[in-house]
Amino acid sequence: GENVEQHPSTLSVQEGDSAVIKCTYSDSASNYFPWYKQELGKGPQLIIDIRSNVGEKKDQRIAVTLNKTAKHFSLHITETQPEDSAVYFCAASKNNQGGKLIFGQGTELSVKP
Amino acid sequence: EAGVAQSPRYKIIEKRQSVAFWCNPISGHATLYWYQQILGQGPKLLIQFQNNGVVDDSQLPKDRFSAERLKGVDSTLKIQPAKLEDSAVYLCASSLSHSGNTIYFGEGSWLTVV
Repeated sequence: GENVEQHPSTLSVQEGDSAVIKCTYSDSASNYFPWYKQELGKGPQLIIDIRSNVGEKKDQRIAVTLNKTAKHFSLHITETQPEDSAVYFCAASKNNQGGKLIFGQGTELSVKP
Repeated sequence: EAGVAQSPRYKIIEKRQSVAFWCNPISGHATLYWYQQILGQGPKLLIQFQNNGVVDDSQLPKDRFSAERLKGVDSTLKIQPAKLEDSAVYLCASSLSHSGNTIYFGEGSWLTVV
């Protein structure tokens, strides 16, 4: 079955710096890759997603890139702010398996003011 | 638009006791999911419903876990009897359909088994 590996497990940056989180997946049939942000005591919240027919997607300070050949995708956050501090999860799914998401292990991002 | 509602938010029980969690998905969402999130890990799918039918329950420990969505709207997840390793957050999520739609999560139900 699908396996998603996420790195790093923790990331500390200064406010205003960029943060990059990377994920690799094992199943070449996966075609949907969302990123979720989870704050303490809350459920995961979708922040951006990308489908396999697109190589890059951007939404204000957040961008995601996908390399299907290498089977990896990355989350880029620019101009980080203290409120970006949270745990970020990548996930992968195949449409023919419905919405079943396979999650990475998570990255705890800390943005220091 | 109201989000995915879950209750209770927190529950502490002794091992071998039973517990039930309730979820009401976003209005109109046909697909409902229950995920288990152990501390420090990503969520893992337990069961997926499409309306009132089960699509995937391959990861559900059926000897102690059960779930139903009788009328195709809200859902209940039950654990009986609970084990220490069941301590986790139980996340309910929903989407418009089972393919190609955004999945929205609730705040979760935190279970501690002592």
